[in-house]
Amino acid sequence: GQQVMQIPQYQHVQEGEDFTTYCNSSTTLSNIQWYKQRPGGHPVFLIQLVKSGEVKKQKRLTFQFGEAKKNSSLHITATQTTDVGTYFCAGGWRTYKYIFGTGTRLKVLA
Amino acid sequence: DTGVSQDPRHKITKRGQNVTFRCDPISEHNRLYWYRQTLGQGPEFLTYFQNEAQLEKSRLLSDRFSAERPKGSFSTLEIQRTEQGDSAMYLCASSSIQGLKNNEQFFGPGTRLTVL
Repeated sequence: GQQVMQIPQYQHVQEGEDFTTYCNSSTTLSNIQWYKQRPGGHPVFLIQLVKSGEVKKQKRLTFQFGEAKKNSSLHITATQTTDVGTYFCAGGWRTYKYIFGTGTRLKVLA
Repeated sequence: DTGVSQDPRHKITKRGQNVTFRCDPISEHNRLYWYRQTLGQGPEFLTYFQNEAQLEKSRLLSDRFSAERPKGSFSTLEIQRTEQGDSAMYLCASSSIQGLKNNEQFFGPGTRLTVL
């Protein structure tokens, strides 16, 4: 079956440190999306990656899609307190069904 | 307001009762998704529609769950004979199949269901 695993489950960093979360799919994906959910809020779209080996940057955030289109990562450089939240990947298939990972909860200590 | 709206925001019910939730997507969006989220977990796919057609339904979903999207606009999710394990946040999301924001899912605020 289609499964999406995400690690780590939690990450506490000092403000200014870097942060990375990893996402792995049991099967080849059509695309992958990343979302951020603040405590008490709903998921908010960050980015979608479609091409094998694709790398996209949004300011301090760097997103990568693996060559085999089965894994992805999100890297945040020099974290800030505003980065606090849970980051989810969502694996997409040609049927446009999306399976979300379990998320990585990020805490940034000032 | 151009966002996704859900109603009600909170629902408390007794075990065995039926509940129905409504989702109003962004007006020009063709796709509509229903997810369920429990504490500490990611959104769990339940079902999705393209226009009025229900294209896929999670095999994890029992027969007690049903969803509709008449006329391809708003959608309803009904849970019959609720169980305590149904307690969760039910999220609706919509997306467009074209344009610069192709596939980007816009989530509503969710309906929090508590089954006593």
